[in-house]
Amino acid sequence: DAGVTQSPTHLIKTRGQHVTLRCSPISGHKSVSWYQQVLGQGPQFIFQYYEKEERGRGNFPDRFSARQFPNYSSELNVNALLLGDSALYLCASSPHYRSGHYSNQPQHFGDGTRLSIL
Amino acid sequence: GQSLEQPSEVTAVEGAIVQINCTYQTSGFYGLSWYQQHDGGAPTFLSYNALDGLEETGRFSSFLSRSDSYGYLLLQELQMKDSASYFCAVRDKGGATNKLIFGTGTLLAVQP
Repeated sequence: DAGVTQSPTHLIKTRGQHVTLRCSPISGHKSVSWYQQVLGQGPQFIFQYYEKEERGRGNFPDRFSARQFPNYSSELNVNALLLGDSALYLCASSPHYRSGHYSNQPQHFGDGTRLSIL
Repeated sequence: GQSLEQPSEVTAVEGAIVQINCTYQTSGFYGLSWYQQHDGGAPTFLSYNALDGLEETGRFSSFLSRSDSYGYLLLQELQMKDSASYFCAVRDKGGATNKLIFGTGTLLAVQP
């Protein structure tokens, strides 16, 4: 079975441009989350979508937006790119939007899109 | 806010045992997870502790003590392929999400 797939794998943009990153979750998974990982740090939560609705948003500016499609794939959009947006953008999927305390659903991550801003 | 602190780097030799610690300050969370990440690739799930105590999965074990705000990942019989970054993470109790809050990460270097 295919895991979480993300595209593109690498991307180079300049300041002020716009970027769209794409994610396809594991088949049967309805929840998609996006994380930003700056070099040398742990991933930071950006968004979670479930059944096409935003379920959670991290501490990121409005330049970051996302959506989920009927087939549960998702796009992350970033406008007016800044140098500080250079990072690895990770997508994670899970079956449901929230797992119980004792029945943990681990997040399944894709290999990410490495975004470089010049 | 929530924060999880880990040692930045740990070095060990093949066949040895290594412990990676995670201390946290959080107002409430559902369990402590551990993830492995090779060379900036996909983080992969290793272990989860819902309750205090030790969880064992093959060569990996994980421990949680809520009273001490502390957990650790124990890797036994180290192999070269274990060289990677390791992150502890908690699932945020607030809101209706699967939001994970990650620690600062520990880079493990296994030497021959």
